Amino acid sequence: GENVEQHPSTLSVQEGDSAVIKCTYSDSASNYFPWYKQELGKGPQLIIDIRSNVGEKKDQRIAVTLNKTAKHFSLHITETQPEDSAVYFCAAMGPTTSGTYKYIFGTGTRLKVLA
Amino acid sequence: DTEVTQTPKHLVMGMTNKKSLKCEQHMGHRAMYWYKQKAKKPPELMFVYSYEKLSINESVPSRFSPECPNSSLLNLHLHALQPEDSALYLCASSPSGTGAYEQYFGPGTRLTVT
Repeated sequence: GENVEQHPSTLSVQEGDSAVIKCTYSDSASNYFPWYKQELGKGPQLIIDIRSNVGEKKDQRIAVTLNKTAKHFSLHITETQPEDSAVYFCAAMGPTTSGTYKYIFGTGTRLKVLA
Repeated sequence: DTEVTQTPKHLVMGMTNKKSLKCEQHMGHRAMYWYKQKAKKPPELMFVYSYEKLSINESVPSRFSPECPNSSLLNLHLHALQPEDSALYLCASSPSGTGAYEQYFGPGTRLTVT
């Protein structure tokens, strides 16, 4: 079945440095790739997404890149701040046999930004 | 209104109790989801409603019973749960049930089964 691998599982960076989280998906029919940030005790919050017809997307300090051939996509956070500390999940979305769509989540990355 | 709301925030129930979780969205979204999330794990899909009809049931035990009374409301009825069902239960909604779109999550209900 569809699988999404996410690395690393934990990441510590100094404030102001960049952080990169990588995901690999298995189903070539996947066509939408969101990234979620989950803070302690809260639900996941969508921070950026990318569709399969786009190679890169940027929103201020956050960017996502997609390599469809290699089935890789990555989250890049520049100029990290302590409030970026959270668990980040990638996901791949594709069609199911019933005609609906569902996410397959990565296993998560715990990011710690050290002040 | 751009949020998904869930009630209650916390719930403690015994194994013989019957309780319900409630989820509401007023964004006009046509798909709604229930997820279960254990500590340090990603959300795990349980049910999907698309245009108020159940379209995905991920082989969830019958002690969990979903209900979608209308396009804005989603319930999860709980009965005879086990301690291992203790988790964060997340509701999400998406603009369309027939395409690849973003999902917006609520804050979750923290469920403890004693």
